[in-house]
Amino acid sequence: NAGVTQTPKFRVLKTGQSMTLLCAQDMNHEYMYWYRQDPGMGLRLIHYSVGEGTTAKGEVPDGYNVSRLKKQNFLLGLESAAPSQTSVYFCATERAGTGIIQYFGAGTRLSVL
Amino acid sequence: GIQVEQSPPDLILQEGANSTLRCNFSDSVNNLQWFHQNPWGQLINLFYIPSGTKQNGRLSATTVATERYSLLYISSSQTTDSGVYFCAVVGMETSGSRLTFGEGTQLTVNP
Repeated sequence: NAGVTQTPKFRVLKTGQSMTLLCAQDMNHEYMYWYRQDPGMGLRLIHYSVGEGTTAKGEVPDGYNVSRLKKQNFLLGLESAAPSQTSVYFCATERAGTGIIQYFGAGTRLSVL
Repeated sequence: GIQVEQSPPDLILQEGANSTLRCNFSDSVNNLQWFHQNPWGQLINLFYIPSGTKQNGRLSATTVATERYSLLYISSSQTTDSGVYFCAVVGMETSGSRLTFGEGTQLTVNP
């Protein structure tokens, strides 16, 4: 999706390692979301942001931190990766006031060994 | 929190057939969206439909909010329709647009 770019696309970590996933959008959307998707399941919200400098917890925030220092970027951090964090991570954006999640990134496939 | 159940979990069709996917939710909602995840994992928003009926080409959706369900209709299915269809809702008691997703319907359209 041209509007939302996630990096990296794939990553393998060892238990205890740290990493940061980057979501960058060029649509000037105010709201941004991080979801995780596990096999055979729907997406679950990790953290979200309604604007630069603001973040909030979603459904499954434990083990993750986020930052939104610039409007166009939303970072998801894993300080000490655990095998339970093996998943596919999706970033999504929404124009404020619409209630509609409009664009998803292509996803980051993370394996924690 | 609000519960979202989708049915059927799996559906296999021949190209050209029609299908109906169902989404039931446990509480009143002020936001309901349908998404398609293609076989390569890309998610696309199909409909924003907290109530009423909408149509987009061969796809249409109806939400009956008072009875807590939504239906996604696919007519004259094509192999490119294959993938997982997700329903996602925001309960009335939830602020913002924090969606709760169902587990999806896996659709396979065979040529």
